[in-house]
Parts: sequence; C-alpha cells; structure tokens
Amino acid sequence: EPEVTQTPSHQVTQMGQEVILRCVPISNHLYFYWYRQILGQKVEFLVSFYNNEISEKSEIFDDQFSVERPDGSNFTLKIRSTKLEDSAMYFCASRARGELFFGEGSRLTVL
Amino acid sequence: SQELEQSPQSLIVQEGKNLTINCTSSKTLYGLYWYKQKYGEGLIFLMMLQKGGEEKSHEKITAKLDEKKQQSSLHITASQPSHAGIYLCGALLGGANSKLTFGKGITLSVRP
Repeated sequence: EPEVTQTPSHQVTQMGQEVILRCVPISNHLYFYWYRQILGQKVEFLVSFYNNEISEKSEIFDDQFSVERPDGSNFTLKIRSTKLEDSAMYFCASRARGELFFGEGSRLTVL
Repeated sequence: SQELEQSPQSLIVQEGKNLTINCTSSKTLYGLYWYKQKYGEGLIFLMMLQKGGEEKSHEKITAKLDEKKQQSSLHITASQPSHAGIYLCGALLGGANSKLTFGKGITLSVRP
C-alpha cells in the first residue's frame, strides 16, 4: 500500500540552528501539506503546496519557514533558525483528489 | 469558538460495548475525514465522507455525514482494546481543495 514517508523520525537541535524535514509523498498525488502538533495539542495546518507553489499558509508559517519540492519526489520543510516553541511533531500529508494520507511524523526537539 | 467541535472530549467504555462520537462544524463542510492517533504517533486514515447522507464502514467502524447539521458521527460496534486511541476529525471548510482543519480529538479508552 502506498504511503507517505518522513525523515528523520526524530531530530534534536539547538536553538537557532537550521532544520530540514523531508517527506516523500505518494507518487501520483498532487497536493502536499505540512502540519504540526505540539504534544497534547491540536494538529495545526502550516502550509499547502500545489503545482510547485504554495497555495495556502497559516500564520504560524512565517519567514522562518520555507518549503521546497526540489526533485519532483521529495517535499521538504525548512526552519531557518529554530526556537524552543518549534518543538513539535511535524506531519507531511499528500492527497490526490479525495483521501488525504499522513506520514508517521518527524519529532523535532529544540533545546 | 472552535470551527470543529468534537464530543465527548473523552470516553471510557467496557470492551464489547457500542459507542458513538461526534464532530460538528460551524461552517459548511466540503469533506470530512476521520483519523485515529496513538498518543505521540502518526495519524491513521480511517474514512472520508464527502456527500450529505454518505455512510461508510470499515470493519466495526461506521461513519456518517449529515450535511444539513454540518455534523459527522463515528460509531464503533462491539469495541475492543485495539480501538483505544485518539479520534480526530478533520474538515475541508474552505472548499473541496482547501486545507484540512482539525478538531481537538476524542480520547477513547476501552476497558477489557
């Protein structure tokens, strides 16, 4: 069964460091998303990506965040200068027309 | 107020009992998704509903969409310990291709 894969599963970083989270969406999917979930809280939308550009982003997705689809298969989320409050589980998701599938998540811990 | 309200907030049932949980939207629903999550883990896709009156079942889980009430229910028949977890509803509120907005989730515990 096709699945969304994310790496790394867990990353620990120092405040101020850059982090890149990687995702391989399901191959024939057209819409890609990043969400995050602070432990014990709601799943929050960050950004959606369609046709090689950002289609929507939330207030959380400020200038410190960026997304790329560098090679037609990977979909990356970069945080330029991490803050303590960026500690969360980051989920990638992809969708063709209907069903939206999530990856297992990348847990980011900022110290 | 929340765009998506899930109720109840948490639920404890005896193994073998049936249960129903709900997800109510304050806005028009263009699609409704149900996911299951273990604490600290990923989201497992359960079902997607798009049309009013639609009902889908998978194993012992049935989900329905009431478009007029802007509400979806998830029913579990003869609950098992494996059903325990957090049930999240997510809705397309801005159109069929909009982002998914999530509720806070319902924590289900099943007592053996």
